[in-house]
Amino acid sequence: NAGVTQTPKFQVLKTGQSMTLQCAQDMNHNSMYWYRQDPGMGLRLIYYSASEGTTDKGEVPNGYNVSRLNKREFSLRLESAAPSQTSVYFCASNEGGDITDTQYFGPGTRLTVL
Amino acid sequence: RKEVEQDPGPFNVPEGATVAFNCTYSNSASQSFFWYRQDCRKEPKLLMSVYSSGNEDGRFTAQLNRASQYISLLIRDSKLSDSATYLCVANYYGGSQGNLIFGKGTKLSVKP
Repeated sequence: NAGVTQTPKFQVLKTGQSMTLQCAQDMNHNSMYWYRQDPGMGLRLIYYSASEGTTDKGEVPNGYNVSRLNKREFSLRLESAAPSQTSVYFCASNEGGDITDTQYFGPGTRLTVL
Repeated sequence: RKEVEQDPGPFNVPEGATVAFNCTYSNSASQSFFWYRQDCRKEPKLLMSVYSSGNEDGRFTAQLNRASQYISLLIRDSKLSDSATYLCVANYYGGSQGNLIFGKGTKLSVKP
């Protein structure tokens, strides 16, 4: 199993550009999550999907949209990137639909917005 | 926002040393706790779950004190490969949803 995969690994954007971060898991997990990690900050939840067909806002959803394409895939879209969105983005998943269960993380996407 | 506070570190220790990390959480309703390990420029990986008073796995021991809202991680006989950042995590239920709150992490560097 590949676990949780993310693409791209690195991305540089100019302010105002848009992009979609892709995430896929092959563990048949019901729930998927998007976090951002900034220096000096803990991981912060952006959006999550408790099950296929549902999405909910986390702690820092502004400036982002998500799509749960199917059970395997959960994408994060930046419609108009801002320098404040420079961060490392991690996708995670877990089995039972309880956000507090152990989560498995992807390798991350390092995004720089100029 | 509910908080999880950790020792700021960094901890620089020699191989073979015993090192302890401390963590406090602010939400008394938290039920699930975890320690994750994060290597430089890598994703977090689960090290231990802590559901009752504590948990032990080889050289690693996690303890939970609900009365003091305190979690600790003890690493015995430190190895070079233990060098990483250790994240303390607590769950939090606010409104209709649950959430995981991550501490900022404590960096450990084990030297030869």
